[in-house]
Parts: sequence; C-alpha cells; structure tokens
Amino acid sequence: DIQMTQSPPSLSASLGDKVTITCQASQNINKYIAWYQQKPGKAPRLLIRYTSTLESGTPSRFSGSGSGRDYSFSISNVESEDIASYYCLQYDNLYTFGAGTKLELK
Amino acid sequence: EVQLQESGPGLVKPSQSLSLTCSVTGYSITSNYWGWIRKFPGNKMEWMGYISYSGSTSYNPSLKSRISITRDTSKNQFFLQLNSVTTEDTATYYCARSRNRYNPHYFDYWGQGVMVTVSS
Repeated sequence: DIQMTQSPPSLSASLGDKVTITCQASQNINKYIAWYQQKPGKAPRLLIRYTSTLESGTPSRFSGSGSGRDYSFSISNVESEDIASYYCLQYDNLYTFGAGTKLELK
Repeated sequence: EVQLQESGPGLVKPSQSLSLTCSVTGYSITSNYWGWIRKFPGNKMEWMGYISYSGSTSYNPSLKSRISITRDTSKNQFFLQLNSVTTEDTATYYCARSRNRYNPHYFDYWGQGVMVTVSS
C-alpha cells in the first residue's frame, strides 16, 4: 500500500504570508492527489484535485503542483479564514491520507 | 444538491460491532463510489472502504477481516459494519461520495461526521 508523508505537521503564518505544504508518496501516484481543508467540527472540504485543478469555489490563492512522488500545496496571501488543517489524499491506488498540517496564525 | 448524513450509536462497547448508516439525498447511490473514512482523536485520517455503483466493495487491507459495507438502494443508504471493535476504533466517522462515476476517485461530498466512542 502507498504511504503519504506530509510535512510540516504544523505551520505558523502571518496574514498575507505564503505557506507551502508537501506530500511525498512512497511510489509514483501519477498526479492522483487531492488536497482538503478541514475546520474543527466540520467535514473536509475539497480544494484541489488531480494535483493542481482547483475545485469550483476554491480561491485562486490556493495552488498545487508536483509529479511522480512529490507534491506541494500552497496558500499565497494567507487570510484568517484559511486557519484550518490541511490533508493530502492519494487516490491512485486505493486511498491514503497524509498526516495533516495544522495552520495557525503567528 | 448532494447531501450525506451519517447516523448511528455514539457509544459502542469493546468487542461489539459498530454499525453506521449513511443516508444520501440529491444523488443516487447506484452511480459513483461511496466511501467511509474515519478521523482519529490524534487527527490521523483513514480510508476504510467503499461500495461501488454496482454494489462491489473494496476495503482497507488493515480492516479487511472486520469490515463490511452494504447498501439499500431503495432507501438510498449505505452502511458500515465494523466488528470486534476496540478503543482504537474511537473516531469520527464520515461517509463520502467519490466524484467519478465509474472509477474510484477523490471524495467530493462528505457527511458532517458522527463521533463514535468505544468504551465499556
């Protein structure tokens, strides 16, 4: 089964900063990675699918890139509403989530 | 609009079975794939399994001996049963829809989740 190594576990950012989260798969996942945002007590919200395709309603300050085993997710100009946890999900072979990254305000 | 809602007991005793229902409105479960995902207290998320539009299933190998996912198409519901639970199964359980109709893909619509505690 495919393992997903997500880092960092937590991030501290100021409003307006750019932050980047990475996920490394244990094998090539052919760009089949999605990124989710989750706020406490809420369901995960799909932000990006197939590495870099923004889901409808996702602000353009969110972006994704990568190929092979290595993928990244960025938020430019962090806003207060972005304070949440973020997870990657590989769906190339069954499903595996990354461990999550908690974004906090500095 | 597609909506999913989990329901079931919030407390289960060790060694017993955990049974949850996912009720879907706005879309037929005879299309797409429908999954169960759980989030542990330490925030780790785990895909548990799915049932397809045709009724076929796939399970996380780590759970394969304990899990069963079934459905009732007449009620547009699908179900999770997890046997022989331990305190390690304490988690928030989510049901979700996979976007692609004929292949398992990322999950786009999710239920709000139901917290299940395993304790005597």
